[in-house]
Amino acid sequence: EPEVTQTPSHQVTQMGQEVILRCVPISNHLYFYWYRQILGQKVEFLVSFYNNEISEKSEIFDDQFSVERPDGSNFTLKIRSTKLEDSAMYFCASNGMEAFFGQGTRLTVV
Amino acid sequence: GENVEQHPSTLSVQEGDSAVIKCTYSDSASNYFPWYKQELGKGPQLIIDIRSNVGEKKDQRIAVTLNKTAKHFSLHITETQPEDSAVYFCAAQGSSASKIIFGSGTRLSIRP
Repeated sequence: EPEVTQTPSHQVTQMGQEVILRCVPISNHLYFYWYRQILGQKVEFLVSFYNNEISEKSEIFDDQFSVERPDGSNFTLKIRSTKLEDSAMYFCASNGMEAFFGQGTRLTVV
Repeated sequence: GENVEQHPSTLSVQEGDSAVIKCTYSDSASNYFPWYKQELGKGPQLIIDIRSNVGEKKDQRIAVTLNKTAKHFSLHITETQPEDSAVYFCAAQGSSASKIIFGSGTRLSIRP
């Protein structure tokens, strides 16, 4: 079965620091997404990415966040000046005919 | 805005019985409806999906139904087993480029 790979699985960072979460989408997929899930809550849409640009973003995805596909395979989410409330699971997804999610990065801001 | 409602939020069934989870969506442009199973500490795992050109799809013990007129879709799990215990999310999407909107999830527990 095709797989979306995310690294790291767990990231602990100090408040105010920048983090980069990495994803390797499924190779022939064209649409990529980042989602966030605060513990025990709903899976929330952050941003979608197609053809090397953002196609849609949510209210959550403000100037603190950015996405990039630096080398044609990796898809990254950068969070600047992390806050305590940024602590959550972050999921990457890619979409061809079906939408598959990675196992997530657990971000803990202390 | 677009919304997906999911019920119930928790569901406990006896092993061997059936479980049904129901969702409604608001965006009439939605045409792809995946269902995800999420186990503790893991990502959402696609278990079955349905597109708007069909009304029902089955894969072994799992089936999904879609009523586009009423904007309802449902997940049916028959002959439930302990390993079916997880959180299940319904979702809806328009085109492949558009966001996937999740329901709030159903925590399914299978009683031995």
